[in-house]
Amino acid sequence: KNQVEQSPQSLIILEGKNCTLQCNYTVSPFSNLRWYKQDTGRGPVSLTIMTFSENTKSNGRYTATLDADTKQSSLHITASQLSDSASYICVVFLYGGSQGNLIFGKGTKLSVKP
Amino acid sequence: KAGVTQTPRYLIKTRGQQVTLSCSPISGHRSVSWYQQTPGQGLQFLFEYFSETQRNKGNFPGRFSGRQFSNSRSEMNVSTLELGDSALYLCASSPPTSGLSTDTQYFGPGTRLTVL
Repeated sequence: KNQVEQSPQSLIILEGKNCTLQCNYTVSPFSNLRWYKQDTGRGPVSLTIMTFSENTKSNGRYTATLDADTKQSSLHITASQLSDSASYICVVFLYGGSQGNLIFGKGTKLSVKP
Repeated sequence: KAGVTQTPRYLIKTRGQQVTLSCSPISGHRSVSWYQQTPGQGLQFLFEYFSETQRNKGNFPGRFSGRQFSNSRSEMNVSTLELGDSALYLCASSPPTSGLSTDTQYFGPGTRLTVL
């Protein structure tokens, strides 16, 4: 069964600290994996898109890694800011499909405290 | 460039009614996808339209339907509303390449539907 599991479910950190969010997937055939940031009351915003051959991709203070062998991805946030408080959603797209063939994780809710 | 817009932003309906939600994609985008987001299930894919044709459909009952117009604007309709249909409904548009799954999706702010 195609599944995407994220951990932890929620996380509280202090401003300025680093954190890492995890995403494990059992999706086949794999096309690409995306991390989205969703602020409360708003639509998700794409942070990174990684294909099978990419191991690391950065977007400012956000760095995503992908291990296609173990089917794991992580999102590392460096020097967190209050504005990083949001839900982070991992999404895996199945190969051969269009925008419709995708499996969502349930997200990690990150709270950054001053 | 204007982003994806969705109307209305908030909606309250009662069980048994029907509802139509609207999504205007970014200018030039031809692919529009719809999603349902609830606290329990998270984000779930409803359907995708490309050039007025439904290209993919998720596992939702037939009460959920959609369409796309020639200007790429899309509407989603839910008939015979149930309490469980209360959710945030998001639409996303993608650039006018081929709609391949590596294209970036741009989400709208969503329509918050409450069914009483």
